[in-house]
Amino acid sequence: EVQLVESGGGLVKPGGSLRLSCAVSGLTFSNVWMTWVRQAPGKGLEWVGRIKSKTDGGTTDYAAPVKGRFTISRDDSKSPVYLQMNSLKTEDTAVYYCTTDSFTYWGQGTQVTVSS
Amino acid sequence: QAGLTQPPSVSQGLRQTATLTCTGNSNNAGNQGAAWLQQHQGHPPKLLLYRNNNRPSGISERFSASRSGNTASLTITGLQPEDEADYYCSAWDSSLNAWVFGGGTKLTVL
Repeated sequence: EVQLVESGGGLVKPGGSLRLSCAVSGLTFSNVWMTWVRQAPGKGLEWVGRIKSKTDGGTTDYAAPVKGRFTISRDDSKSPVYLQMNSLKTEDTAVYYCTTDSFTYWGQGTQVTVSS
Repeated sequence: QAGLTQPPSVSQGLRQTATLTCTGNSNNAGNQGAAWLQQHQGHPPKLLLYRNNNRPSGISERFSASRSGNTASLTITGLQPEDEADYYCSAWDSSLNAWVFGGGTKLTVL
């Protein structure tokens, strides 16, 4: 059974940092491109960014609102994918989901709240 | 950044057919088609269809997709109460190098 489990969410002040993790099991993780998607309260889905598999270059792509502030990385030896979020803004408040790049599998999400 | 356009809400009767639309441009929905996701309140999204009309295992054949030009459509036949949910389309945008989502359509089954 494929499982994605996010962790690391919480309350942070504007300008602060947070690192989210997504543990993946039931897949050959090293072959999978991983994506982060967020959903602000009462709003729709918003793509955050993705990381390709190492065999496909391991490169990353980001949405314009987070480019330069967020960084996605992966550790193929342990199977988590990370989302490092810096210079957080109130508008980054959302539930953050990790998903495979094809959107086939999703985690339950982790809440990030940016507030003073 | 530019996204896809979906109607905010659609209502249809029990056991009827609902069609949800998703309009983009030639760089996204008009290029490789759209993925469709269903989200019930308080739950993560679930993939219904990808690359227009490919269905993951376990997804009912009542869900199907099509595309005409830059508009993708999701058709749900034989509407059931459990189909009441938010539906999102998504497509890779080759000019933005990003996945773009529609704003979502809330489907009400009357």
